[in-house]
Amino acid sequence: DSGVTQTPKHLITATGQRVTLRCSPRSGDLSVYWYQQSLDQGLQFLIQYYNGEERAKGNILERFSAQQFPDLHSELNLSSLELGDSALYFCASSPRGAEGGNTIYFGEGSWLTVV
Amino acid sequence: ELKVEQNPLFLSMQEGKNYTIYCNYSTTSDRLYWYRQDPGKSLESLFVLLSNGAVKQEGRLMASLDTKARLSTLHITAAVHDLSATYFCAVASYSGNTPLVFGKGTRLSVIA
Repeated sequence: DSGVTQTPKHLITATGQRVTLRCSPRSGDLSVYWYQQSLDQGLQFLIQYYNGEERAKGNILERFSAQQFPDLHSELNLSSLELGDSALYFCASSPRGAEGGNTIYFGEGSWLTVV
Repeated sequence: ELKVEQNPLFLSMQEGKNYTIYCNYSTTSDRLYWYRQDPGKSLESLFVLLSNGAVKQEGRLMASLDTKARLSTLHITAAVHDLSATYFCAVASYSGNTPLVFGKGTRLSVIA
């Protein structure tokens, strides 16, 4: 158990809908990362937050958004869902960023299936 | 743009044999991570390599980093079935845009 908690674990929804994925980082970790894992694209970095502020942005679609709240939990919002958004979405956390070689711990992931 | 390439992508090994997985990356970095993933599961951190020449070992796995060659290796000694998984290397970029860039992973299958 990495200490990173993600909910829901599984989610099936229809095209055009909106979903919210939730992540609680390890106790004391300030950085939260979101990654998308699909068979064809591999592990793609979406976005990073550090202590409530956006720190880095990757290949995140405009239909997706995220935020980190004062209690450091984070939410990833996916809207106008398409079939191609079906993937495993990981949240990860670390005490700071990748600076200093902090281990980045991953949660169990949220399986999203868009039908 | 930082690119991370792993090879091989698929590896079938016999139990008891040794093999090496290679991870090349395209730009300067001295922070390299190795993760293991079982099917449908989370990514488990194996090693964090921080400097040129760094070597770390855990059980039958040993990882090394050559920053000048931009190369890391994950060596498997006397493979056992429990090592069957997908292994990812990931590199931290200094660009500030992409904290951790992953390779495509090496799917390892250890057979009797």
